[in-house]
Amino acid sequence: NAGVTQTPKFRILKIGQSMTLQCTQDMNHNYMYWYRQDPGMGLKLIYYSVGAGITDKGEVPNGYNVSRSTTEDFPLRLELAAPSQTSVYFCATSSSSGSPLHFGNGTRLTVT
Amino acid sequence: DQQVKQNSPSLSVQEGRISILNCDYTNSMFDYFLWYKKYPAEGPTFLISISSIKDKNEDGRFTVFLNKSAKHLSLHIVPSQPGDSAVYFCAATPETGNQFYFGTGTSLTVIP
Repeated sequence: NAGVTQTPKFRILKIGQSMTLQCTQDMNHNYMYWYRQDPGMGLKLIYYSVGAGITDKGEVPNGYNVSRSTTEDFPLRLELAAPSQTSVYFCATSSSSGSPLHFGNGTRLTVT
Repeated sequence: DQQVKQNSPSLSVQEGRISILNCDYTNSMFDYFLWYKKYPAEGPTFLISISSIKDKNEDGRFTVFLNKSAKHLSLHIVPSQPGDSAVYFCAATPETGNQFYFGTGTSLTVIP
């Protein structure tokens, strides 16, 4: 019972590089979310999806893109990495609007 | 603009005593509140929630209190155990929204 799986666990990028953070879930949840957590800060919502084919911006979407082609997968794309994107990224799911979130274990990204 | 605030970054409590973690919010549209617990290198896990129609919710050693007029909620852990040592986040969401807003977290240390 994997739940929410995020890969990779760690990554170091150079400024201007691009990468995709992967998130897959086996909980059959329609709602999926990407959050980032900066040191000493709360989690900030980047993007979310209420179902396959539907995505929407959260509080801090600039510099990121997402897609949701299947229920299971919700990848987060960074096109031109910047030092301000150094953070821990968490993917989460929920069964419906307002239901408690189930989080993956995070991806720690450093941009230098 | 931090809509959910946890003003105590850290808290230390003796094993067996009560731990009280506090959270304040500014948005009067929030009507569902949750507490999450986070261990290092893991994602947050859901602990307990409360709807705005209640002022108290209990689950075993954990009780959440909500004071809507003061826009304040608290999490009580009784008795505290060393395994409770973690970072605790409160979160809030409006009834019609898909976004959860998180506080900055309180690091609880339970001393054996």
